[in-house]
Amino acid sequence: TQLLEQSPQFLSIQEGENLTVYCNSSSVFSSLQWYRQEPGEGPVLLVTVVTGGEVKKLKRLTFQFGDARKDSSLHITAAQPGDTGLYLCAGAVRNRKLIWGLGTSLAVNP
Amino acid sequence: TAGITQAPTSQILAAGRSMTLRCTQDMRHNAMYWYRQDLGLGLRLIHYSNTAGTTGKGEVPDGYSVSRANTDDFPLTLASAVPSQTSVYFCASSDSGLASGNEQFFGPGTRLTVL
Repeated sequence: TQLLEQSPQFLSIQEGENLTVYCNSSSVFSSLQWYRQEPGEGPVLLVTVVTGGEVKKLKRLTFQFGDARKDSSLHITAAQPGDTGLYLCAGAVRNRKLIWGLGTSLAVNP
Repeated sequence: TAGITQAPTSQILAAGRSMTLRCTQDMRHNAMYWYRQDLGLGLRLIHYSNTAGTTGKGEVPDGYSVSRANTDDFPLTLASAVPSQTSVYFCASSDSGLASGNEQFFGPGTRLTVL
């Protein structure tokens, strides 16, 4: 069974703090996606990383794909209450289905 | 653009009853998916369709059936609901099929409680 482990599972921080969320697997992925899900809604894509070592920035969010394409991280600088939500990573294995992590639930307190 | 619509928003269903969850997309995407999301278990794929007229089984297909008569609609049917099917159900779509790794667009979900 292919697994995609996310850590931490839960994170509660104060506004203005920095945080990093990790997504790890023993599998090699052809690409990896990060989604954010707000309460009562479906997940929405934030970014897709494809190349090993790739770094993508989305305002205060920085996404990195590991050199071996087995892991990824999401770093948020100066978190704001609007960043609150469930962050999901999903890895694409070539010619196979998308593998989903269980998610990191982030609460940013004002 | 509406994207993906799901109906109903929520439903309470007696065990043993049947129910169809509706899903419609207006993006002309080839592929559509049904997931269930449960605390501690994450998103699990129930069934998928890579193109109209074809369907496939996901991780947890038992107790569910789907059909894909056209591009836009992908209904999910529970023939005889059981309490373990209590969950939040999400419909999603993508431009290409399951193996492409393309971005998936999700609907707002249907919260189903089976008593």
